Amino acid sequence: RKEVEQDPGPFNVPEGATVAFNCTYSNSASQSFFWYRQDCRKEPKLLMSVYSSGNEDGRFTAQLNRASQYISLLIRDSKLSDSATYLCAVSFSGGYNKLIFGAGTRLAVHP
Amino acid sequence: EAQVTQNPRYLITVTGKKLTVTCSQNMNHEYMSWYRQDPGLGLRQIYYSMNVEVTDKGDVPEGYKVSRKEKRNFPLILESPSPNQTSLYFCASSLSGGGILTSYEQYFGPGTRLTVT
Repeated sequence: RKEVEQDPGPFNVPEGATVAFNCTYSNSASQSFFWYRQDCRKEPKLLMSVYSSGNEDGRFTAQLNRASQYISLLIRDSKLSDSATYLCAVSFSGGYNKLIFGAGTRLAVHP
Repeated sequence: EAQVTQNPRYLITVTGKKLTVTCSQNMNHEYMSWYRQDPGLGLRQIYYSMNVEVTDKGDVPEGYKVSRKEKRNFPLILESPSPNQTSLYFCASSLSGGGILTSYEQYFGPGTRLTVT
């Protein structure tokens, strides 16, 4: 079983739709959680960190469920510019900044 | 502008011909790391460095070497490239290596697409 798993998609949604991605992790001792966005053939860029209490940034909401060991990303009112691959990343406890990345979920927003 | 740079961006080479991919950051970050990205496998860590002269293996270090003689530079060396090292490579840096309860955002370079024939 992979340490961090995501549904690869693609998720094909119309503009204005709400879409949700989940990411499961296997190590219950994980401490830090992130969502990165990656455009085609470009570098990943941090979208948002995920906090225990959940956090929101405009149309994006991230949630953490420690009991079930998953994090989620909700995108409301999807825009064409949201089309990208979304990577979740989990940092395991025990020291240095090692992030384990999921393989990513591809989102395609169409007119 | 704060950034991580990599060179070259694209490279086609032949099996066995030594190559170096350079990585440089201008943010005075302590922590640097190399990843490779392959379809369906996501980003996998090759090597990382907590600070100058401190490097360690990641999850897929075989066939690679690194060095960290200066804080800003972290080159990736392939002594004898093989076709299974064809991949998209990313260098990343962050403020520090973090700790048990702390993890810092990683900034990625633009990537190097390597093809080994």
